[in-house]
Amino acid sequence: QTVVTQEPSLTVSPGGTVTLTCASSTGAVTSGYYPNWFQQKPGQAPRALIYSTGNKHSWTPARFSGSLLGGKAALTLSGVQPEDEAEYYCLLYYGGAWVFGGGTKLTVL
Amino acid sequence: EVQLVESGGGLVQPGGSLRLSCTASGFTFSNYWMHWVRQAPGKGLVWVSRINSDGGSTTYADSVKGRFTISRDNAKNTLYLQMNSLGVEDTAVYYCARDSTTTGVYWGQGTLVTVSS
Repeated sequence: QTVVTQEPSLTVSPGGTVTLTCASSTGAVTSGYYPNWFQQKPGQAPRALIYSTGNKHSWTPARFSGSLLGGKAALTLSGVQPEDEAEYYCLLYYGGAWVFGGGTKLTVL
Repeated sequence: EVQLVESGGGLVQPGGSLRLSCTASGFTFSNYWMHWVRQAPGKGLVWVSRINSDGGSTTYADSVKGRFTISRDNAKNTLYLQMNSLGVEDTAVYYCARDSTTTGVYWGQGTLVTVSS
């Protein structure tokens, strides 16, 4: 049973910078896992932010960036805005299957 | 514009069946692998199943294997999820999603399935 692990919760001040990470129980996360990041607010469907490690969708704000960091996938928010308060999920590809992380609840305070 | 619209959710009794549909538009449906993902109330996203572009290959999460069947009709631009032997643990919002490592994942808005007596 593959497990993908994220920080359960993080708090950041407006204008600050925060990094969310995504680890795999199988070992280091590489680009071959095509890390994706999604934002979800209450009552809404997930919104895609980052795909294949660091690629942004056309609607992804510039303050969001994706990377690989220390064997994990990472999502960095620079210059956090109040509207960034949400749940964030990572997704890793394992052959034909997907595995989601448990989500990180980001509080902007 | 890529659009995915799920339908078919509703209230079903334990042990019952339901078929979900996901109608795609704005892209060439037959070129893409597709997935179903679910989210129980107050919980995280959980992958359910995927199907390749021509429907010839499928994969399931262990929790639904043998009970759920994913399929597609490329002529109708529609993805399906046949759900049998439903239990209360299957209560969730079910999302369909388009898979692409080169253009990213696109999501539908979801359809709610409630299993309750």
